[in-house]
Amino acid sequence: ETGVTQTPRHLVMGMTNKKSLKCEQHLGHNAMYWYKQSAKKPLELMFVYNFKEQTENNSVPSRFSPECPNSSHLFLHLHTLQPEDSALYLCASSARDSGLVETQYFGPGTRLLVL
Amino acid sequence: AQSVSQHNHHVILSEAASLELGCNYSYGGTVNLFWYVQYPGQHLQLLLKYFSGDPLVKGIKGFEAEFIKSKFSFNLRKPSVQWSDTAEYFCAVKGSGNTGKLIFGQGTTLQVKP
Repeated sequence: ETGVTQTPRHLVMGMTNKKSLKCEQHLGHNAMYWYKQSAKKPLELMFVYNFKEQTENNSVPSRFSPECPNSSHLFLHLHTLQPEDSALYLCASSARDSGLVETQYFGPGTRLLVL
Repeated sequence: AQSVSQHNHHVILSEAASLELGCNYSYGGTVNLFWYVQYPGQHLQLLLKYFSGDPLVKGIKGFEAEFIKSKFSFNLRKPSVQWSDTAEYFCAVKGSGNTGKLIFGQGTTLQVKP
């Protein structure tokens, strides 16, 4: 399955580091998403981009900074994170299908550990 | 506000047993409903979805789900599970329309014993 790819798959960073997560979709979709998946909690929507424009910021702290240079690429820039930010970060993409139902397709995620 | 509740957090079954995972949602309008599965070490995959028409929806790998509007439910079923069905299952709801957000339940871990 190579529809949505994410790099790196694993990341360990200190609280003073700056790092970036990358997502790329090969499905011709026009919307991209960042989610946070923590243990025993529902997936939390972080950001939504539609045609490169940010349409949703779900009260995410400013230490997370998204960037969407085009409809195929999405980045999540990380700086001065906290240990509680350790989680699996999932990227997804979507487009309207023939049934007018927007189905999201997910990448494998980046497992982030903040020390 | 929209919310999704999955009643079973951890389910253990033997192979060939029947499965039903509960999902209830809270939303005041027309909804689109989804079940996703996450196999160990793999990414989230769509199992099935409902948007209109027949409330009984069939998905991949023998799964089906029934939308009962009066009960705000979208339970997932499979008549006979296999060891390979061991995974985490997520119910999700989206308000119809382009701006509706996809809201996930907290997931149900299914463990199938051979």
